[in-house]
Amino acid sequence: DTAVSQTPKYLVTQMGNDKSIKCEQNLGHDTMYWYKQDSKKFLKIMFSYNNKELIINETVPNRFSPKSPDKAHLNLHINSLELGDSAVYFCASSPGLAGGYYNEQFFGPGTRLTVL
Amino acid sequence: QKEVEQNSGPLSVPEGAIASLNCTYSDRGSQSFFWYRQYSGKSPELIMFIYSNGDKEDGRFTAQLNKASQYVSLLIRDSQPSDSATYLCAVNRDDYKLSFGAGTTVTVRA
Repeated sequence: DTAVSQTPKYLVTQMGNDKSIKCEQNLGHDTMYWYKQDSKKFLKIMFSYNNKELIINETVPNRFSPKSPDKAHLNLHINSLELGDSAVYFCASSPGLAGGYYNEQFFGPGTRLTVL
Repeated sequence: QKEVEQNSGPLSVPEGAIASLNCTYSDRGSQSFFWYRQYSGKSPELIMFIYSNGDKEDGRFTAQLNKASQYVSLLIRDSQPSDSATYLCAVNRDDYKLSFGAGTTVTVRA
């Protein structure tokens, strides 16, 4: 069984379009994340939700809007796509905070977004 | 100063040798430290975590933590070609945020 799944795996689109990426976890975790990994492989946190509540919102253009309908799902909608949005987007989940320790995160397979 | 810095690669080691990866972090209040392995085109997967000063061994992997020096390392003993990957150091303070280093790419030569 896939623990953290994302759809689609690949997304090729034109500049200016709006697109969504979906993420689901079946681990029963409380916390979910969106990361962006650029061409230099640097993994940067974008958003995090804990029990459907937004808890991390890094400096991300407001063209990016996350939505968590329930704690097993976290979707990412991107408006007016730009060339610089091309990257791999990873969803992840973790059990949540446990006294500050053991915040192991499990990653989904990634969505490779290419903006033309 | 970056939150998490890793020694620049790529690191090339012969099969059977020890690969040594280093990571420093800027936040002295950091509590949890993780090493993730990422194969090309795949997602990161956790291989080690450490919370306390000292060494922690798991199979061929040893993580070392020195909070006074704000330094964490990963040793891979008896390196195998299957260890060729990018290794990401990640650090957590006491919240939900995990800060990643840029990664060190390791190539094990057969």
